Amino acid sequence: GAGVSQTPSNKVTEKGKYVELRCDPISGHTALYWYRQSLGQGPEFLIYFQGTGAADDSGLPNDRFFAVRPEGSVSTLKIQRTERGDSAVYLCASSLIRGDRGRNTEAFFGQGTRLTVV
Amino acid sequence: GQNIDQPTEMTATEGAIVQINCTYQTSGFNGLFWYQQHAGEAPTFLSYNVLDGLEEKGRFSSFLSRSKGYSYLLLKELQMKDSASYLCAVSRNTPLVFGKGTRLSVIA
Repeated sequence: GAGVSQTPSNKVTEKGKYVELRCDPISGHTALYWYRQSLGQGPEFLIYFQGTGAADDSGLPNDRFFAVRPEGSVSTLKIQRTERGDSAVYLCASSLIRGDRGRNTEAFFGQGTRLTVV
Repeated sequence: GQNIDQPTEMTATEGAIVQINCTYQTSGFNGLFWYQQHAGEAPTFLSYNVLDGLEEKGRFSSFLSRSKGYSYLLLKELQMKDSASYLCAVSRNTPLVFGKGTRLSVIA
């Protein structure tokens, strides 16, 4: 597609339920990132994929959060036993290549999924 | 770890110039990005600095001093549509780490 696509755009779920958030990156982008953004805050890093593998998952807050990218394209962020504190906008971004030391490539963001846990 | 500081809010007048500062502390550095984010929308790329100095792109310029851990974003000829949050982000060999953002309000 022309840009990074995230679905659903909005998700309301009950506390304790399981949710999946989907990200479809720009075609050909090998790097994919998940961020979480609360109101009035900057995006908070969660996990980064280079191809199919999670290159850095140090931002995942706990073991209720998990993400996959089985074919190196679409990614799914999975949250188990949701809590009210998980309510936020979940942003996905992709970029061409991770880049060598000293180089970085621009990350393109999707519109995000607004998750509300009630 | 990384600390990134930028002012929470700024207000400026249409047609004026505004400078948004960002200071950072990091043990490694691969570059500094500025993103613009309108309310309810995704962040969009504005600029990237990896070497010291000024990068100019139309009404927007970004400056970097690596020795001081300091950057600024300069917006000229402000327009109402420039009202948005401006995010400073630092990169090491890990994905971008964002500051909390500066909410800019442009008034007539």
